[in-house]
Amino acid sequence: SQQGEEDPQALSIQEGENATMNCSYKTSINNLQWYRQNSGRGLVHLILIRSNEREKHSGRLRVTLDTSKKSSSLLITASRAADTASYFCATFQGGSEKLVFGKGTKLTVNP
Amino acid sequence: DAGVIQSPRHEVTEMGQEVTLRCKPISGHNSLFWYRQTMMRGLELLIYFNNNVPIDDSGMPEDRFSAKMPNASFSTLKIQPSEPRDSAVYFCASSLQAGVSYEQYFGPGTRLTVT
Repeated sequence: SQQGEEDPQALSIQEGENATMNCSYKTSINNLQWYRQNSGRGLVHLILIRSNEREKHSGRLRVTLDTSKKSSSLLITASRAADTASYFCATFQGGSEKLVFGKGTKLTVNP
Repeated sequence: DAGVIQSPRHEVTEMGQEVTLRCKPISGHNSLFWYRQTMMRGLELLIYFNNNVPIDDSGMPEDRFSAKMPNASFSTLKIQPSEPRDSAVYFCASSLQAGVSYEQYFGPGTRLTVT
């Protein structure tokens, strides 16, 4: 079953613009993770935000978490063509060790 | 470190044939995960191991699928007999431990096509 749902399903922007992707989840979480998948490749971990954190930064990435709304957002600032990829949020279901991924947002950054 | 290694990268087989996918996790990682990715269902966890022991195989679609981890550096996912609906990209991932604090490292995947 799916825990995270990303929104939008697809996003197309120009290089230099900011990209915002959202994720909603259903059950309580200990943390939420974001992964990137380039076409034809495996997923790459980007950032982990814990349930007691509201915001986290890593380079051009900014992640927010609102546990009251069960939602998270990933902001990529000053996007580059190389950021073109699918982005997935992932959470653990309840207290299990199983990481459950959403269906992802496909981001296209046009040069 | 070479990262998670999967082989083959591409596999094309006929319905009814046996398919074996292979994975070498990152050295020192104690947990290994097998996922399947399709357009319709997204990324699904099939099975995971802790210290070579299968912990949860509830995601394995049916008895045609089996997975083994004979030692800390090798795992296989076998489909026998294969069917066209098994066509997907299969990913292996590893982490230091299973659990909520650990990120997973994914291999490049095996694209399986069953005709």
